[in-house]
Amino acid sequence: DGGITQSPKYLFRKEGQNVTLSCEQNLNHDAMYWYRQDPGQGLRLIYYSQIVNDFQKGDIAEGYSVSREKKESFPLTVTSAQKNPTAFYLCASSRGGSLNTEAFFGQGTRLTVV
Amino acid sequence: AQTVTQSQPEMSVQEAETVTLSCTYDTSENNYYLFWYKQPPSRQMILVIRQEAYKQQNATENRFSVNFQKAAKSFSLKISDSQLGDTAMYFCAFKPEAGNMLTFGGGTRLMVKP
Repeated sequence: DGGITQSPKYLFRKEGQNVTLSCEQNLNHDAMYWYRQDPGQGLRLIYYSQIVNDFQKGDIAEGYSVSREKKESFPLTVTSAQKNPTAFYLCASSRGGSLNTEAFFGQGTRLTVV
Repeated sequence: AQTVTQSQPEMSVQEAETVTLSCTYDTSENNYYLFWYKQPPSRQMILVIRQEAYKQQNATENRFSVNFQKAAKSFSLKISDSQLGDTAMYFCAFKPEAGNMLTFGGGTRLMVKP
């Protein structure tokens, strides 16, 4: 079955540590996205990538980094520079281009700083 | 830059009744796509309905329909015959035709009461 997979589902991080959230898709989608969701709030864009080896900052990129070495994978690293990393993180993908394309979402990763 | 506004943080409706969720957006683009996503307690984002800006006819998917007013930049979602399973957060989203960036509103929490 095609889909988008995020792992782990729950992640705990000590202050000062970097952590990497995994996002893999087998939908052959060109575009991939990372969003942050805080309790009771909407989705805010962290980074997005329209094609392999290319990515752009979203609205809240500070303290985060990404890579897009493969079409299928778009990992997100939450660095120690991110002052308030506790949140729910959603990865998405879409076919991209000027198409009426919906975004497909993973099931999310809840990150907690302890 | 595009902005999407959902002015109703929370709403409730009796089972079998009809409810309308509001969404407005601001853009200088002429061609774009609009989406409504549902996020149930499982946190999985599910596409409810989509609308192409160049289409005058309002989109309909079973019990879900939209009222798209391009001049007013309004995109409301009507849920008919509300069911308990409709209880969720609902997000309105905007994507320009040129480009892949998807912008979300802050969400509306809908509670369907028995």
